[in-house]
Amino acid sequence: EVMMTQSPATLSVSLGEGITLSCRANQSVNTFVAWYQQKPGLAPRLLIYSASTRATDIPARFTGGGSGTEFSLTISGLQSEDFAVYYCHQYNNWPLTFGGGTRVEIK
Amino acid sequence: QVQLIQSGTEVKKPGASVKVSCKASGYIFSNYGVNWVRQAPGQGLEWMGWISTYNDNKNYAPKFQGRVTMTTDTSTSTAYLELGSLTSDDTAVYFCARDHGDPHPHDWGQGTLVAVSS
Repeated sequence: EVMMTQSPATLSVSLGEGITLSCRANQSVNTFVAWYQQKPGLAPRLLIYSASTRATDIPARFTGGGSGTEFSLTISGLQSEDFAVYYCHQYNNWPLTFGGGTRVEIK
Repeated sequence: QVQLIQSGTEVKKPGASVKVSCKASGYIFSNYGVNWVRQAPGQGLEWMGWISTYNDNKNYAPKFQGRVTMTTDTSTSTAYLELGSLTSDDTAVYFCARDHGDPHPHDWGQGTLVAVSS
């Protein structure tokens, strides 16, 4: 089973700041990585798939990158609606797996 | 637009089974597979399995093998998740999610709370 490790667990940031979330796989997953945003009480929302392709209606301030075992999600100019939990996900190998999540909170 | 509408909250006793439904609309059901993902209270996302709506192929997470069954009904564009031998550890919100040609969950249902309590 591929383990996806996200860091940091929590990030405290101010409005307008830029941040980068990291996700590491314990074996290569090529570029079969997706990123999701989740707010309390709601279903996850797809942000990025194929490591760097933005999903429909996702703002350009969200950028995904990486390949192999190292992946990143960059959010430039944080807005109030961006405070949430972010999960990475690999779909290169069965069973599919998620990272443990990074909570982005207001400083 | 793509919609996945799930069935309502379930309360079950330990040892029982639960069946959750996920009705799809806005696309050709048999063109995309369905994932099931769950989330225990205050915890992260846990992938449970995937089913092809085209040929009924399935991939289950090893943790759930033997007590999970995923099925589909193409006549009603509905996917089903059945989980048996429930314990309190199965208390969670269960999500269905359409794939995108490749397996990743792309469009999500609203979630179904399953509470297991004696």
